[in-house]
Amino acid sequence: EAGVAQSPRYKIIEKRQSVAFWCNPISGHATLYWYQQILGQGPKLLIQFQNNGVVDDSQLPKDRFSAERLKGVDSTLKIQPAKLEDSAVYLCASSLARGVGELFFGEGSRLTVL
Amino acid sequence: EDQVTQSPEALRLQEGESSSLNCSYTVSGLRGLFWYRQDPGKGPEFLFTLYSAGEEKEKERLKATLTKKESFLHITAPKPEDSATYLCAVRIPTNSASKLTFGTGTRLQVTL
Repeated sequence: EAGVAQSPRYKIIEKRQSVAFWCNPISGHATLYWYQQILGQGPKLLIQFQNNGVVDDSQLPKDRFSAERLKGVDSTLKIQPAKLEDSAVYLCASSLARGVGELFFGEGSRLTVL
Repeated sequence: EDQVTQSPEALRLQEGESSSLNCSYTVSGLRGLFWYRQDPGKGPEFLFTLYSAGEEKEKERLKATLTKKESFLHITAPKPEDSATYLCAVRIPTNSASKLTFGTGTRLQVTL
């Protein structure tokens, strides 16, 4: 069974530039999550989708971050404009349904903002 | 405020030297506690789910236990391949659903 796919694995940009990350979850998983993991910290939930609808985006900095899951499958997370403090690993995860604790994570996209 | 605290931050063990990692939580309406393992450059990998005080789960050299205020991850006779960061997470209710809140992790290094 294919796992959660993410791209790109690494990205370096200047502050105020924009960046987009892509995620393809495990086939059949209805719930998709984007987490931000800053070095030395645990993952922090940014946004949760159920199919193509947003369930929770309370911790998403909406002035610069946006995310979509148009057809209820793959998803894109965008940052515009980026700040230095956005340097982190952006992890995508999926699960069969809401309310479960077993999440399947991708390998992450490491963002460095200079 | 809901909080998850893991200790120690880092732990170095010799192969075969058993120990325990701690995850303490102050959460209203806990809906499960979860342990994950994260290798460098990888995403977290699910290990265990615990729902009620007194519950225990085992997998190879790992055993997770849960009380009303904390969870322990016991590592018996660890091997170098057990070296990783171990993350604890709790599921808490939100206005619209529930979400996983992670601790900062314990970095475990097992040496020969």
